[in-house]
Amino acid sequence: AQSVTQLDSQVPVFEEAPVELRCNYSSSVSVYLFWYVQYPNQGLQLLLKYLSGSTLVKGINGFEAEFNKSQTSFHLRKPSVHISDTAEYFCALSMNTGFQKLVFGTGTRLLVSP
Amino acid sequence: NAGVTQTPKFRVLKTGQSMTLLCAQDMNHEYMYWYRQDPGMGLRLIHYSVGEGTTAKGEVPDGYNVSRLKKQNFLLGLESAAPSQTSVYFCASRTGSSYNEQFFGPGTRLTVL
Repeated sequence: AQSVTQLDSQVPVFEEAPVELRCNYSSSVSVYLFWYVQYPNQGLQLLLKYLSGSTLVKGINGFEAEFNKSQTSFHLRKPSVHISDTAEYFCALSMNTGFQKLVFGTGTRLLVSP
Repeated sequence: NAGVTQTPKFRVLKTGQSMTLLCAQDMNHEYMYWYRQDPGMGLRLIHYSVGEGTTAKGEVPDGYNVSRLKKQNFLLGLESAAPSQTSVYFCASRTGSSYNEQFFGPGTRLTVL
């Protein structure tokens, strides 16, 4: 079975500081990896995805993530955050065959303060 | 394009009442999903559909039924609501392409008293 672990339930940072949101996964087969963002009272929006190829993936709003197969990690980073980045961030995976159900982590709330 | 829409946005039910949540998408997507989101638990899959007229159970299907009579609509029904079904419900859809980019609706906040 596949699983996703987001180690931090909440990450407080100051505006313009760098941030890293951690995600580790477990799977015995190859997977696709995703980061979604949920702004307050809204649905989820795809930030970025890793399907194959380059391990450094760039997404929207200046975010990037690095796939590390040996450490089974897919950490999300941004070099300088803005107040508007305050949101909940979900890491997710799916198998790359069959139905491809999404398995979500429990989420990390990013709190950016001035 | 409206994308994925959900009706209603909010609802309060009493224990034992029934209701139907409607999800509609205008992107001609084959796959549709219903998730529930609970604090500290992320999103969990309730039911899904891989095409018009087909449905299947996800990881937490008990107490819910679904129907996909038209390709663009996916209905989630609660026959006899329970307080444990208090949650935020999200619908999502995607194409049948090889990777799993799902597009989400804005959610329905349901409270069962």
